[in-house]
Amino acid sequence: GIQVEQSPPDLILQEGANSTLRCNFSDSVNNLQWFHQNPWGQLINLFYIPSGTKQNGRLSATTVATERYSLLYISSSQTTDSGVYFCAVERSQFYFGTGTSLTVIP
Amino acid sequence: KAGVTQTPRYLIKTRGQQVTLSCSPISGHRSVSWYQQTPGQGLQFLFEYFSETQRNKGNFPGRFSGRQFSNSRSEMNVSTLELGDSALYLCASSLTLPGQALNSYNSPLHFGNGTRLTVT
Repeated sequence: GIQVEQSPPDLILQEGANSTLRCNFSDSVNNLQWFHQNPWGQLINLFYIPSGTKQNGRLSATTVATERYSLLYISSSQTTDSGVYFCAVERSQFYFGTGTSLTVIP
Repeated sequence: KAGVTQTPRYLIKTRGQQVTLSCSPISGHRSVSWYQQTPGQGLQFLFEYFSETQRNKGNFPGRFSGRQFSNSRSEMNVSTLELGDSALYLCASSLTLPGQALNSYNSPLHFGNGTRLTVT
C-alpha cells in the first residue's frame, strides 16, 4: 500500500496564528483530499486537490504531485479549527495519514 | 440535500455476537466505502461498493463483509465479534468510483457521522 506521513503530529496555536500542515506520500496517486475531524468524530471534506492550489476562506491547500506532497495552510486560526486534520490519497482505495491534532487556544 | 446517514450511532455488543451497520449515501452517489477508525491503527479502508458490486477490499478478515442494494444503500456485517473490533465505523459516499483513471470524474468523499461499536 501507499504510505502517508503527516507532520507535525500535534500543534498548539494561539487564536489568530497561522499554520502549515504537511502530507507526504510514497507513490503516485490519482487524487488527494484533506479532511477535518471535529471533536464529535465527524469527518468534513476540506479539499479535493490532486494537484495545484485551492483556497476556501481562511484555508488553502497546495499539492505537488510530482514531488509527492501536499500542504494545508490555515490562516488566522480560530478555536473552531481545533480537531484532527487528515490527508488521504487514493489509488484504487484511500490511504489515510495518521493526522495532525490541532488545538487553538483563545 | 441530505448527507450520508449511518445507523445506529452507538452499539454495544458482546464477544461472539454479530452486528450489522447501515449507511445511506447522498442522493445520486453510487460509490459507498467503509472505514474503521481506532486509536492504534488510525483510519483503515474496509471495502467499497459501486452499483451493488464490491470493487475493492482492504486487509481485514472474512468476518467483515458488506453489501450494497439497488438504491445504493449499504450495509456492513461483522460476525463473531472480538474485543479488537471496537472502533468507530465510518461510511463515505462519492459520485465516482475511486480508482477511475479519468480524474475529471473524481469527486470528494463525504462521510457520515459514524457508528461507534463497543465490544465487551
